[in-house]
Amino acid sequence: DAKTTQPNSMESNEEEPVHLPCNHSTISGTDYIHWYRQLPSQGPEYVIHGLTSNVNNRMASLAIAEDRKSSTLILHRATLRDAAVYYCILRDVRMDSNYQLIWGAGTKLIIKP
Amino acid sequence: DSGVTQTPKHLITATGQRVTLRCSPRSGDLSVYWYQQSLDQGLQFLIQYYNGEERAKGNILERFSAQQFPDLHSELNLSSLELGDSALYFCASSPQTQNTEAFFGQGTRLTVV
Repeated sequence: DAKTTQPNSMESNEEEPVHLPCNHSTISGTDYIHWYRQLPSQGPEYVIHGLTSNVNNRMASLAIAEDRKSSTLILHRATLRDAAVYYCILRDVRMDSNYQLIWGAGTKLIIKP
Repeated sequence: DSGVTQTPKHLITATGQRVTLRCSPRSGDLSVYWYQQSLDQGLQFLIQYYNGEERAKGNILERFSAQQFPDLHSELNLSSLELGDSALYFCASSPQTQNTEAFFGQGTRLTVV
């Protein structure tokens, strides 16, 4: 499976935008890029996913590099409730079972009031 | 609320014992996944069931087993427990095997003493 690399932690101020990077230099053409987040003492929660084009939803935006070797999750206006561990995961659309992947340690996002 | 229910929330047991963790997926979801999350680690995929049948296996120990019942709820059985089995165990569900989003329960925290 292709791997992802994320910073261990990031800090941001409340109500400012946050850009969370993810490197996936060995990504294949059939890999989707998924982001999940895990709030303290909770199960992971889906955030967004994409293949080639940038994506927007109510939670965040996903910017994907033209060569697809990196991506950035963008929280437009971080709140204290966005403090969580953010996971960048690759999913091969050819696989019948999507969630066999080993999740890395993710990025711990700290929001300062 | 993801719609996925896991019981119990907490479990403390002694080494050598056997426990059963239960997961009720979202209504209508056919696919159930089990994950293990050790302290400050990412999630490790254990096993997946789809409509009652085992679909995929991750690094699940031989001491662990799971099943999915006709009503689609699933149980994860952990036996001959060791101290290293202490972890959070998450269940997730999705409507089919190739969905883009999985919904996670709140997890069961297992402590082996």
